[in-house]
Amino acid sequence: DGGITQSPKYLFRKEGQNVTLSCEQNLNHDAMYWYRQDPGQGLRLIYYSQIVNDFQKGDIAEGYSVSREKKESFPLTVTSAQKNPTAFYLCASSMTGINEQFFGPGTRLTVL
Amino acid sequence: GESVGLHLPTLSVQEGDNSIINCAYSNSASDYFIWYKQESGKGPQFIIDIRSNMDKRQGQRVTVLLNKTVKHLSLQIAATQPGDSAVYFCAENKGGGSQGNLIFGKGTKLSVKP
Repeated sequence: DGGITQSPKYLFRKEGQNVTLSCEQNLNHDAMYWYRQDPGQGLRLIYYSQIVNDFQKGDIAEGYSVSREKKESFPLTVTSAQKNPTAFYLCASSMTGINEQFFGPGTRLTVL
Repeated sequence: GESVGLHLPTLSVQEGDNSIINCAYSNSASDYFIWYKQESGKGPQFIIDIRSNMDKRQGQRVTVLLNKTVKHLSLQIAATQPGDSAVYFCAENKGGGSQGNLIFGKGTKLSVKP
């Protein structure tokens, strides 16, 4: 079964704690993306990576960090510097030169 | 005080009717457009896409129309079914080309009445 997976589905954290969201894909896609979605809003790009060991900031990168050590994996860390981290986080991937992005099921992060 | 969330544009249709969801895009250099469907609590799913060298593209029960003159995109769903109830997003590629970066609209919530 090819696809993109995110874990966990629900995540709770206390204020001041860092937390890492997992994203894995077995589609052999070079490009991967992280988006944040707030209620009643569209998707906003946090970070993206076109190739292993390289990534770029998106529109709302402050308070987040990523790594891309393997083609299949693109974890997102929400740091304590992110002032309003409660949101639905979506990971996506795409083939190089292709615009269509495939999305994972999302992780809902709640800060208590 | 109580916080008020943003309200999505909502389209309510009767089962069996046709639905038309509209989207205005911002970048005249965009050459690729895509529609996604997102059910509650899930990730977006691809519906249909279109390149700027086309005005219309049809899929199964769906049609996308592109009007580059007024930078307008629409998604038509024929014979709307209860399973079509979801939020629909349009997206355009950023600055053209095939780099994959998409700009998403805020979405339209489609409700289908049985």
